[in-house]
Amino acid sequence: DTGVSQDPRHKITKRGQNVTFRCDPISEHNRLYWYRQTLGQGPEFLTYFQNEAQLEKSRLLSDRFSAERPKGSFSTLEIQRTEQGDSAMYLCASSSGGGTARYEQYFGPGTRLTVT
Amino acid sequence: GNSVTQMEGPVTLSEEAFLTINCTYTATGYPSLFWYVQYPGEGLQLLLKATKADDKGSNKGFEATYRKETTSFHLEKGSVQVSDSAVYFCALSSNTGNQFYFGTGTSLTVIP
Repeated sequence: DTGVSQDPRHKITKRGQNVTFRCDPISEHNRLYWYRQTLGQGPEFLTYFQNEAQLEKSRLLSDRFSAERPKGSFSTLEIQRTEQGDSAMYLCASSSGGGTARYEQYFGPGTRLTVT
Repeated sequence: GNSVTQMEGPVTLSEEAFLTINCTYTATGYPSLFWYVQYPGEGLQLLLKATKADDKGSNKGFEATYRKETTSFHLEKGSVQVSDSAVYFCALSSNTGNQFYFGTGTSLTVIP
């Protein structure tokens, strides 16, 4: 078990460019979450996948954001036409499906996005 | 809607002092409640959880009791150590565990 991994760890991009982040959850976990965290704040829920199905999306997730989990394993989060307000840490977490274990999220190290 | 309000920091304590970090919540239905910890330079880790009213979660000397009547989940530790210095986040989940809501975090510094 290598834990949740995210790639890249840091991304600097110019306003208007598209960016894509990847998350690899713990292998047996079927639940996957994306969050955004800005400085001095707690993580804000963006979206949730159970296997390959995207079951929840926050109102924070504008039309410029899209997430996929095509085979129920890794997930990608794409931001189109980035804005300076998108600068944040993007966190991925996973959990297993059974019983109360579904509440035990394991977080990745995050991808820090800076939009210039 | 669902939300979490936690005590603002930063909090500075001397080693072996008693710690309380307050957390209150607003939720529909029957949420589960959590405390997460983020040590310097590390990712978020689950510290403890309680999935129903009156449950007490505990781990590493930390405790929190799910109080439905006061909608609270305060974090306590009887004697803090320097190694407890971290940012602590209170969180709740929706009934299904499909959405989670975090507080803004409380930074704790323990000095020798």
